[in-house]
Amino acid sequence: KQEVTQIPAALSVPEGENLVLNCSFTDSAIYNLQWFRQDPGKGLTSLLLIQSSQREQTSGRLNASLDKSSGRSTLYIAASQPGDSATYLCAGNLITQGGSEKLVFGKGTKLTVNP
Amino acid sequence: DAGVIQSPRHEVTEMGQEVTLRCKPISGHNSLFWYRQTMMRGLELLIYFNNNVPIDDSGMPEDRFSAKMPNASFSTLKIQPSEPRDSAVYFCASSPLRGADTQYFGPGTRLTVL
Repeated sequence: KQEVTQIPAALSVPEGENLVLNCSFTDSAIYNLQWFRQDPGKGLTSLLLIQSSQREQTSGRLNASLDKSSGRSTLYIAASQPGDSATYLCAGNLITQGGSEKLVFGKGTKLTVNP
Repeated sequence: DAGVIQSPRHEVTEMGQEVTLRCKPISGHNSLFWYRQTMMRGLELLIYFNNNVPIDDSGMPEDRFSAKMPNASFSTLKIQPSEPRDSAVYFCASSPLRGADTQYFGPGTRLTVL
């Protein structure tokens, strides 16, 4: 069974701190890795997509890396702000035995940035 | 664009009742996904349509669950009969592509079965 694990489950930091969220996956069939943000009572918003041929992607204060050999991805948030408070989920793309694509999600890291 | 639209946003029902959740994907998107999110299991794919055809329904938990996509602008997820363990947030997502990349999620329907 494919598994995507996120540690820690929750994180609380003071405003301005740089932080790293971790994601690990056990299935080598995962070829792309995405990071999503989920705000309370809302759906998911895609933040970054790292293709299998890439090692990292950057968007503003966010940087995500992917190491397929070790089955790990990290999301780095620089100079955190209270508005970054949300749950961050990573998801791996994989091809099922039936040939279709699917996303396999971790359970998320709930981030709280304190003013 | 209004994004993916789901209705209702909240549903409270009693065990044994039929529940129908609705989704309107983003216009022009040809892939649609139904997910279920719980604290215990996280976010799980239930079923995936491409061009209105079910491609992968291996995540549908049991025969009580069924999904349809009669046209490109509407899909339903039905639970009959509902059980308390079906309580969860159900998300619909759409994509302009055939694959799983670039999914746009709706706000979800919070279902409570008493």
